[in-house]
Amino acid sequence: DAKTTQPTSMDCAEGRAANLPCNHSTISGNEYVYWYRQIHSQGPQYIIHGLKNNETNEMASLIITEDRKSSTLILPHATLRDTAVYYCIRTTGGGGSNYKLTFGKGTLLTVNP
Amino acid sequence: SAVISQKPSRDICQRGTSLTIQCQVDSQVTMMFWYRQQPGQSLTLIATANQGSEATYESGFVIDKFPISRPNLTFSTLTVSNMSPEDSSIYLCSVGYNRGTEAFFGQGTRLTVV
Repeated sequence: DAKTTQPTSMDCAEGRAANLPCNHSTISGNEYVYWYRQIHSQGPQYIIHGLKNNETNEMASLIITEDRKSSTLILPHATLRDTAVYYCIRTTGGGGSNYKLTFGKGTLLTVNP
Repeated sequence: SAVISQKPSRDICQRGTSLTIQCQVDSQVTMMFWYRQQPGQSLTLIATANQGSEATYESGFVIDKFPISRPNLTFSTLTVSNMSPEDSSIYLCSVGYNRGTEAFFGQGTRLTVV
C-alpha cells in the first residue's frame, strides 16, 4: 500500500507556525517522503523531501519520526499566500531512477488573518 | 531546476475528437510523467513516458485512449483520444531526475470537452 494519510483540512493563524502531519506507516526503507502544495489552478509546487533525517530549506522544515512511520511539515511563519492543498507523497516503484509520485487527497491548509 | 512548457494551456474540444498535449523541458530529464486532475480531485498518475519505448500505464489507463510519445529526453506528448465530457480535466506533465531528487510540474492543460 503506497498511500499516506493526512487530515482533510487544517486552519492556521497568519504569522503562526503551521504543522501538517502525515502518516506513512507502511513506508519501506528506500522510499522518500515528499511534500508538494497546490494553489488553486496551478501546477503542484515542490516544498521539501527527506528519507530519514530531518530537513530544512527556505520554505519549510520536515520532521520524520525515527521509525519513519510519520512526518510533519512545518511552515514556520504562515502567510495568507500559504493557503493551499498540501500533499504528502511517498515515492513508489523500483530503485535508482525508476520511481513515481503517487498523490493522495492532501490537506487543505487555510491561513486566516 | 527544470522549466516545463506545456501546450496548449487550455482548450475546448468537441466530443469524439482527439487532442495532443505537448510537454517541453529546458534540460534533459530522466523521468517524465503524465497526470490527470479531475475537477475538485487530487492528481492521478496516467503513465510514465519512457524514451524510445512504450509508456508504462497505471491501472485504469490504456494506450488506445491515452497514447504517449517520448522521442528524446526533453519532450513528450500525451494524446487524449475519442474524447467525451468525462475527459474534461487538467492534464499535467511532470519531470524528474532520479529517486531522491525533486520532481517538477508544468502548469497543466485545462481541457473541456463539449
